[in-house]
Amino acid sequence: DAGVIQSPRHEVTEMGQEVTLRCKPISGHNSLFWYRQTMMRGLELLIYFNNNVPIDDSGMPEDRFSAKMPNASFSTLKIQPSEPRDSAVYFCASTPPRNTEAFFGQGTRLTVV
Amino acid sequence: SQQGEEDPQALSIQEGENATMNCSYKTSINNLQWYRQNSGRGLVHLILIRSNEREKHSGRLRVTLDTSKKSSSLLITASRAADTASYFCATEDTGRRALTFGSGTRLQVQP
Repeated sequence: DAGVIQSPRHEVTEMGQEVTLRCKPISGHNSLFWYRQTMMRGLELLIYFNNNVPIDDSGMPEDRFSAKMPNASFSTLKIQPSEPRDSAVYFCASTPPRNTEAFFGQGTRLTVV
Repeated sequence: SQQGEEDPQALSIQEGENATMNCSYKTSINNLQWYRQNSGRGLVHLILIRSNEREKHSGRLRVTLDTSKKSSSLLITASRAADTASYFCATEDTGRRALTFGSGTRLQVQP
């Protein structure tokens, strides 16, 4: 298996633009997590899905952030409109059933200028 | 939000020495996990210890858990330059499947 796949690896966008981050979890995993990593705040959970259903989105910072998981093999995290303070590395992770060992993607480094 | 703190924030040792990192947390947990992150990469799972376990070993890694003190430690023995990375503890809190991560320890192993 190729592991958790995220795209793009790097994204530079202007303030006010829409940004979409993508994630393909490991096949057979039924939970998917979006984390954000910054120097100031460390690793923060944004949202997680179980069997494609959002379970906890309390970490989503504002209404500008939204996440979807239309099927078991794909998820998106969208920021609209983006702001410079959204600059961070965004990680997607997945876990298999009955196991909380998380497998992380390589992350998307987002820079909003 | 951050579950707890790790100390030290940064650690520099010579190759062959042991490295010990500590983690504190605040809630009731099902298990505690340690992850490693190389610069510019994603996190990689190292070891998991359940709340009813006190110590666990995996290769050169030794993890302890003290639920009464809500703390854990990770010991890396006979360190190598390739162990240079950031190390994070993460807790699976009771009733919540998602992991909550600590602030991390940056380990530098000098060859």
